[in-house]
Amino acid sequence: EAQVTQNPRYLITVTGKKLTVTCSQNMNHEYMSWYRQDPGLGLRQIYYSMNVEVTDKGDVPEGYKVSRKEKRNFPLILESPSPNQTSLYFCASSHLKGGDIQYFGAGTRLSVL
Amino acid sequence: GNSVTQMEGPVTLSEEAFLTINCTYTATGYPSLFWYVQYPGEGLQLLLKATKADDKGSNKGFEATYRKETTSFHLEKGSVQVSDSAVYFCALKRVGQGAQKLVFGQGTRLTINP
Repeated sequence: EAQVTQNPRYLITVTGKKLTVTCSQNMNHEYMSWYRQDPGLGLRQIYYSMNVEVTDKGDVPEGYKVSRKEKRNFPLILESPSPNQTSLYFCASSHLKGGDIQYFGAGTRLSVL
Repeated sequence: GNSVTQMEGPVTLSEEAFLTINCTYTATGYPSLFWYVQYPGEGLQLLLKATKADDKGSNKGFEATYRKETTSFHLEKGSVQVSDSAVYFCALKRVGQGAQKLVFGQGTRLTINP
């Protein structure tokens, strides 16, 4: 079954404690992306990757890092989380060529206290 | 820049009512347009899409037509069901660098009462 898997689904943490949200896809997609969803703002792109070892900033990259060491995985790293990073996070993936449809994970709800 | 504006929600309707959710966009070039749906507790799923002017996307009884002259992509359904309750996002995919990036509207929460 085609899937984008995010873990954890829910996370409560404290300011400054480093955390990683994992994302894995089983569709051999070249393109992967992280979004955050906030009320009234829709989804905004944080970072994206066009292929292994190729990553770039989206619209709201401050406070986040990513890596793409393998094609299937695209973890999102918060080195020093702050309360303004409390949000709902989605990972997505698609093919680069003919990749009109993006496939989304189920989301990670993060609360930073 | 590229942007998408959706009608504000929440929208509450009775079962079998007619649904319209308005979406307008601003973009350079000729973007592809999408409607994604998010059911409670789930990620977004593609509902329908249109890739050029006058194309009509349709799925599950929902329709939307790519109107270049009015820069709109309104979502419609003739008779909604309780199971259509969800958040609906209009989005565009811009052409060019980072061409896979989706630009989303703010989302419209739809609730259908029996």
